[in-house]
Amino acid sequence: GAGVSQTPSNKVTEKGKYVELRCDPISGHTALYWYRQSLGQGPEFLIYFQGTGAADDSGLPNDRFFAVRPEGSVSTLKIQRTERGDSAVYLCASSFARNTEAFFGQGTRLTVV
Amino acid sequence: DAKTTQPTSMDCAEGRAANLPCNHSTISGNEYVYWYRQIHSQGPQYIIHGLKNNETNEMASLIITEDRKSSTLILPHATLRDTAVYYCIVRTSGNTGKLIFGQGTTLQVKP
Repeated sequence: GAGVSQTPSNKVTEKGKYVELRCDPISGHTALYWYRQSLGQGPEFLIYFQGTGAADDSGLPNDRFFAVRPEGSVSTLKIQRTERGDSAVYLCASSFARNTEAFFGQGTRLTVV
Repeated sequence: DAKTTQPTSMDCAEGRAANLPCNHSTISGNEYVYWYRQIHSQGPQYIIHGLKNNETNEMASLIITEDRKSSTLILPHATLRDTAVYYCIVRTSGNTGKLIFGQGTTLQVKP
C-alpha cells in the first residue's frame, strides 16, 4: 500500500508477556519514528531511526522497550515483561528525510490485562 | 524544544472558516511550525507547515506572524469531517526532526 502500515491493529496480552509491534514505512522513507499515545493525550515520542540506526532513543521509558530496524525499512518495537501501564496506542511514522513531513500509520492498540 | 500553547477546544459552524491559534514564543530562527490533526481512532494526519512565510495548500492556510511567535491555521470552509484534535508543533532543529506533540485543540464543527 501507499501509506504506513502497522500490524497488528489490536493486541491483547497478559501482564508479564513479551510483545512485538511491526511498522512498514512508506517505501523510500529513511526516517522512522515510534510514538505512544495514551487516552486523551497527544502522541509521545519514543524513538527515531535514520536508516538502520536508532539516532534518538531518548523517549523509550525504560529498558523493557526496544526497537530495531535491521534493513532500514521495516521496524519492530519490542516490549518485554509488559505491564498494565503499557496499554496505549503505539504509532509509527515515516518521512523521506528527517526534516520533511512525517506520515503516520493507524497505530496498534495494545491492551495489557 | 520550543513549546506551543493552544486553546483546549473550539467550536465552528459548518461552512464557516475555522481559525485555530497557536503561540510559540520561544521558537528558534530555524524551527518550522507544523500542523497535524487527529480524527478519532486514526493516526495523526499532516496538514501544513511553514517557516516564516504564509503557506496554503489544498487543506488549509497557515499564517505566521512576522515575529514568528504565533501562528493561525485556517480551514476556509469547515465541514463536519474536520472535527478533530489539531496539533500545532514546533519541529526541533536538532538531528532528529522529531515532532513533540502537546495537548492540541479539539475542534468541533457543528451543523
